[in-house]
Amino acid sequence: GAGVSQSPSNKVTEKGKDVELRCDPISGHTALYWYRQSLGQGLEFLIYFQGNSAPDKSGLPSDRFSAERTGGSVSTLTIQRTQQEDSAVYLCASSPKETQYFGPGTRLLVL
Amino acid sequence: GIQVEQSPPDLILQEGANSTLRCNFSDSVNNLQWFHQNPWGQLINLFYIPSGTKQNGRLSATTVATERYSLLYISSSQTTDSGVYFCAVTSGSRLTFGEGTQLTVNP
Repeated sequence: GAGVSQSPSNKVTEKGKDVELRCDPISGHTALYWYRQSLGQGLEFLIYFQGNSAPDKSGLPSDRFSAERTGGSVSTLTIQRTQQEDSAVYLCASSPKETQYFGPGTRLLVL
Repeated sequence: GIQVEQSPPDLILQEGANSTLRCNFSDSVNNLQWFHQNPWGQLINLFYIPSGTKQNGRLSATTVATERYSLLYISSSQTTDSGVYFCAVTSGSRLTFGEGTQLTVNP
């Protein structure tokens, strides 16, 4: 079946602009995660959605970052007033229970 | 928070060689996963292995939860095995990743 999809695959923006990144999880997966991977680094947890529960936002690095998940499916990660240090690959994962399945990521470059 | 350490950070092999990658973690965990990140950046699940041993083809993994480590074995390595291998553990709701092992398999 279809895996996790993310869009856009690449995004170049200017410092100070807002960006929206989209994640379509695997159908039926109740859990959805966002991670960030800077060049040559491991993955950094950002936010976690589980069903209708309040999301775990404890990994968001600043109040410029927010995310929502509509209808328990698609999720959007928004970064306001982007900074150069926001440049990274943003990865989304979904999970039916324990194992997480990752999308291809969005490569964000802030100039 | 929980700490995850992987070793070695880099590994270069000749095709056909075997290797062992290690993951140490600092606290009790709910689960442990091994991932392979290919050169195009895609993360692929290899194993979900909170304890015990699993095998899948040329790959196998063992987690000894009481001693807080996991090992990933790659046998008869191929050039397509190149990439970064990540260990990730769950404590609570989040996955915490190690820094990865960069594996290069030369023909």
